Amino acid sequence: KNEVEQSPQNLTAQEGEFITINCSYSVGISALHWLQQHPGGGIVSLFMLSSGKKKHGRLIATINIQEKHSSLHITASHPRDSAVYICAVRSTGSARQLTFGSGTQLTVLP
Amino acid sequence: SAVISQKPSRDICQRGTSLTIQCQVDSQVTMMFWYRQQPGQSLTLIATANQGSEATYESGFVIDKFPISRPNLTFSTLTVSNMSPEDSSIYLCSVEAWASTEAFFGQGTRLTVV
Repeated sequence: KNEVEQSPQNLTAQEGEFITINCSYSVGISALHWLQQHPGGGIVSLFMLSSGKKKHGRLIATINIQEKHSSLHITASHPRDSAVYICAVRSTGSARQLTFGSGTQLTVLP
Repeated sequence: SAVISQKPSRDICQRGTSLTIQCQVDSQVTMMFWYRQQPGQSLTLIATANQGSEATYESGFVIDKFPISRPNLTFSTLTVSNMSPEDSSIYLCSVEAWASTEAFFGQGTRLTVV
């Protein structure tokens, strides 16, 4: 079992729809990141969470530490939101590197 | 925050040759990491670049194949040596800034080996 599981793997939505991407993890963590990867490969950090909820524009990220679960929501989705969304966690302990989920390919149709 | 310049953004290379990827950060950072993303796969850590000492490699990655340099707190290089088509991947540099657990990523290098 992977340490970080994302669902769904692929998601197609119509413009304007509310979108949810889920991330479950099996280890104790100090932080969880939501990342956005565009076709060229570059990655942008959207959120870093250790508890609660964060909002930035149309994006909302929540985390439930007890349930080891996080969600990324996109409100009023737009074709420019089409990208791969990746959940990554930093485990507690001495290691500082991130462990990544396999990503969710989101396509928003006009 | 930290702004990362990663070069080249893409390259097509002949098998048997080597490619060096550069990662330049606009501020001093504590940790620098190199990741590989094979087609359709998630990112996998290659190594942690240590300033002034040898990099720390993850299982399955060796220095002879992926030599890494980090001469100072703002710059690192990753070389993919003696390339084969199996090395075709996206390679990413990632850093953490001083007194922060925020992670920043380069634009990625899309490598195709023919």
